[in-house]
Amino acid sequence: KNEVEQSPQNLTAQEGEFITINCSYSVGISALHWLQQHPGGGIVSLFMLSSGKKKHGRLIATINIQEKHSSLHITASHPRDSAVYICAVSSNTGNQFYFGTGTSLTVIP
Amino acid sequence: KAGVTQTPRYLIKTRGQQVTLSCSPISGHRSVSWYQQTPGQGLQFLFEYFSETQRNKGNFPGRFSGRQFSNSRSEMNVSTLELGDSALYLCASSPNRQGDGYTFGSGTRLTVV
Repeated sequence: KNEVEQSPQNLTAQEGEFITINCSYSVGISALHWLQQHPGGGIVSLFMLSSGKKKHGRLIATINIQEKHSSLHITASHPRDSAVYICAVSSNTGNQFYFGTGTSLTVIP
Repeated sequence: KAGVTQTPRYLIKTRGQQVTLSCSPISGHRSVSWYQQTPGQGLQFLFEYFSETQRNKGNFPGRFSGRQFSNSRSEMNVSTLELGDSALYLCASSPNRQGDGYTFGSGTRLTVV
C-alpha cells in the first residue's frame, strides 16, 4: 500500500471550471507538499502545509491533519494549469519523503 | 536570485559505466535532497544532505551515493549503471531541515543504453 494516495489519476476540465485534487496519506507527517510538474520535467513547489489552508492566486490548498487528507483546488481553471500535480509528505520520523503518483490535469479551452 | 542548477541536463551512458550528477542549490540553502523519477515508479526519494552530512536515505542500492561540499553544492554518483537507472534525477534545495521553501531544479535526464 502506498503511503500517499491521490485521486483522480487523470482529470480533464473545461476552461473556467473549479477543480479539486485529493490526497490521503497514512504516515505521520511534519508537512505536506503540493508540487506541479509541466511537460519537460521541471517541478515547482506550490504549497507546503502543516495545518489549515493556504491560498496563492487561483490555487487553494487545505489539510485536515486528523483525517490525514489534503485537497488542492484550482478556481477558474486555465489551459496553462495543465500539468501533473503531485502530493508529497515529509514524514515526522527522519525527514523521509513519500510521493503520490500524481494527477494529470488537462484544461481544454 | 538564481534557482537550483542541475548539470548536465541530458546524459547518455552505457550499461556498466558510472555517472556523476551535480546540483547547485540556491545561495544560502543548506539542505539538498535528490529524487529519481521513472514512469513506472514515479518520484522516489534518494537521499538528503545537510551541512555536508547525509541525513536520510531512501531505499536504493549502494550503487547510488552522494556527497555535499562545504559550499552546499551536491553531487550524486551511480556506479555500475543498469538499464533501469534510466530516469529523470531531480534535486531540491531548502534553507533548513524543516523543509521550508523547497525549490526544485529542472533535473538531469539520464538514459542508460
